[in-house]
Amino acid sequence: NAGVTQTPKFQVLKTGQSMTLQCAQDMNHEYMSWYRQDPGMGLRLIHYSVGAGITDQGEVPNGYNVSRSTTEDFPLRLLSAAPSQTSVYFCASSRGSSGGAYEQFFGPGTRLTVL
Amino acid sequence: GENVEQHPSTLSVQEGDSAVIKCTYSDSASNYFPWYKQELGKRPQLIIDIRSNVGEKKDQRIAVTLNKTAKHFSLHITETQPEDSAVYFCARMDSSYKLIFGSGTRLLVRP
Repeated sequence: NAGVTQTPKFQVLKTGQSMTLQCAQDMNHEYMSWYRQDPGMGLRLIHYSVGAGITDQGEVPNGYNVSRSTTEDFPLRLLSAAPSQTSVYFCASSRGSSGGAYEQFFGPGTRLTVL
Repeated sequence: GENVEQHPSTLSVQEGDSAVIKCTYSDSASNYFPWYKQELGKRPQLIIDIRSNVGEKKDQRIAVTLNKTAKHFSLHITETQPEDSAVYFCARMDSSYKLIFGSGTRLLVRP
């Protein structure tokens, strides 16, 4: 199993550009989440999904969209990039309530810089 | 509110000593409390977790205690080793399966 994969590893955007961060998992996990990590601020939840077709907002959803059309994929879209979105983005998945396990398995992260 | 307060933000201990990190929360619907370790440049990894119907859980040198009445939970690391140096995050999950993290504790174990 590859686990949780994220692409790209690094990205530089200009203010106003849009892009999609990709996340995929091959563990048949129900739950998937996106976090951003800024220095000294820990991991903040952006959006999460408890199953295909279901998404919900986390702590800091503004400026980001998600969709969950399949169990495996959970892309994060930046609509119009701003310098405040410069961060490291982590995708995570867990088995969820049907599997009785909530351990989050994190991807390797995407380092995004917005100029 | 949603936040999880984590203290201290930095902790320096001598090798062999114990380290304790504490987190507090206010949402009484929280039912799952994991702890993650993140080494420099790496992704976070689960080290131990506890559910709301349990007061304490141990795994070798690591233990977590939960006081639901006081709404706080703590990570205890005994006989610390240099490889324990990392950033540790607590988190809580609420009834909508939202996982909220604390701001992290940077632990330094001095040889």
